[in-house]
Amino acid sequence: EPEVTQTPSHQVTQMGQEVILRCVPISNHLYFYWYRQILGQKVEFLVSFYNNEISEKSEIFDDQFSVERPDGSNFTLKIRSTKLEDSAMYFCASSESLAGGYEQYFGPGTRLTVT
Amino acid sequence: RKEVEQDPGPFNVPEGATVAFNCTYSNSASQSFFWYRQDCRKEPKLLMSVYSSGNEDGRFTAQLNRASQYISLLIRDSKLSDSATYLCVVLLNDMRFGAGTRLTVKP
Repeated sequence: EPEVTQTPSHQVTQMGQEVILRCVPISNHLYFYWYRQILGQKVEFLVSFYNNEISEKSEIFDDQFSVERPDGSNFTLKIRSTKLEDSAMYFCASSESLAGGYEQYFGPGTRLTVT
Repeated sequence: RKEVEQDPGPFNVPEGATVAFNCTYSNSASQSFFWYRQDCRKEPKLLMSVYSSGNEDGRFTAQLNRASQYISLLIRDSKLSDSATYLCVVLLNDMRFGAGTRLTVKP
């Protein structure tokens, strides 16, 4: 069964450093997403991406964040100048379509710890 | 009012019990509805989409009432492996997650 993969599984970084979280979406999917989940809290939408551009972004997704699809398979989330409050689980997801009824499938997540 | 609100839980039930989860959403323009389950420190996994006519997948039945902006999930004959947090998810322009309801099924 095809699945979304993410690397690394755990990233520890110092405050102020840049991190890049990587995702390989399911191969025939066209829409890609990043979410975060702070420990003990709900899953929060960050950004959706289609056709090499951002479709939607939340208020969390400020200038500190950027996304890129550098090649035909990878989808990355870059966080510039990390803050302590960026510590969370970051999930990548993909779907065939953005239209109603098309489910999103999540990767296993990257746990980001900012010290 | 929260965008997606779920039963606070936790629900602790014996094996074989029937358990129901409720969810309400605030935006009537919401387009699609889902139930996901999430095990501790794991990713959300799609359990089922929710359709206006109601739908069933084995022991799981989901219902949607657009007029009341209410979604439900019924689990029959619960198994130990059903223990997880159940997330109600609503699609507007993006996916809005409820805080989840924790279920523990005990032997």
